[in-house]
Amino acid sequence: GDSVTQMEGPVTLSEEAFLTINCTYTATGYPSLFWYVQYPGEGLQLLLKATKADDKGSNKGFEATYRKETTSFHLEKGSVQVSDSAVYFCALIKAAGNKLTFGGGTRVLVKP
Amino acid sequence: DTGVSQDPRHKITKRGQNVTFRCDPISEHNRLYWYRQTLGQGPEFLTYFQNEAQLEKSRLLSDRFSAERPKGSFSTLEIQRTEQGDSAMYLCASSPSFRDGSYEQYFGPGTRLTVT
Repeated sequence: GDSVTQMEGPVTLSEEAFLTINCTYTATGYPSLFWYVQYPGEGLQLLLKATKADDKGSNKGFEATYRKETTSFHLEKGSVQVSDSAVYFCALIKAAGNKLTFGGGTRVLVKP
Repeated sequence: DTGVSQDPRHKITKRGQNVTFRCDPISEHNRLYWYRQTLGQGPEFLTYFQNEAQLEKSRLLSDRFSAERPKGSFSTLEIQRTEQGDSAMYLCASSPSFRDGSYEQYFGPGTRLTVT
């Protein structure tokens, strides 16, 4: 079945450091890929998405590129802030699919 | 656009009791989803509706679980004879019609269930 694997946390960084969270997936066909973020005490929020190979999703300084050859969708941000402390989830949905398949989440803690 | 809302936000119940959760999707979203998230894990799909029709159920949705969306608007998720293993965050999401090649799902804040 479909699956998403992301690096385990917690990831602890200093403010203004570079962040990368690895995400790889297993799925047949051409899924759409997503990053969701969950801030403390809040629900899941869509951060960015990519719907086909080589697409780059971006939002709030975060970027991720859909790499079909490596089945990856790594999340990056060049300079993190304390407010970026959250749990980040990589997810996929099959074309015209009905359900998101999530990775296990990566907790990020940014220290001032 | 007021977002997806869920009620209650927290529920503590004793083992063996029945519980019901409610989800109000974003208005005019015709798809509604339920997920379950246990501590330290990603959400897992339970079921989804298109309008009032329940079109898919996960194997995680045992016979003790039932979901409805009677008028294609709000939805309820009922758990009968709760067990301690049911303790989790129950998330609801909704999505509009197919757009930009994918169904973007918008999540509510969740209902945290604790079974004692």
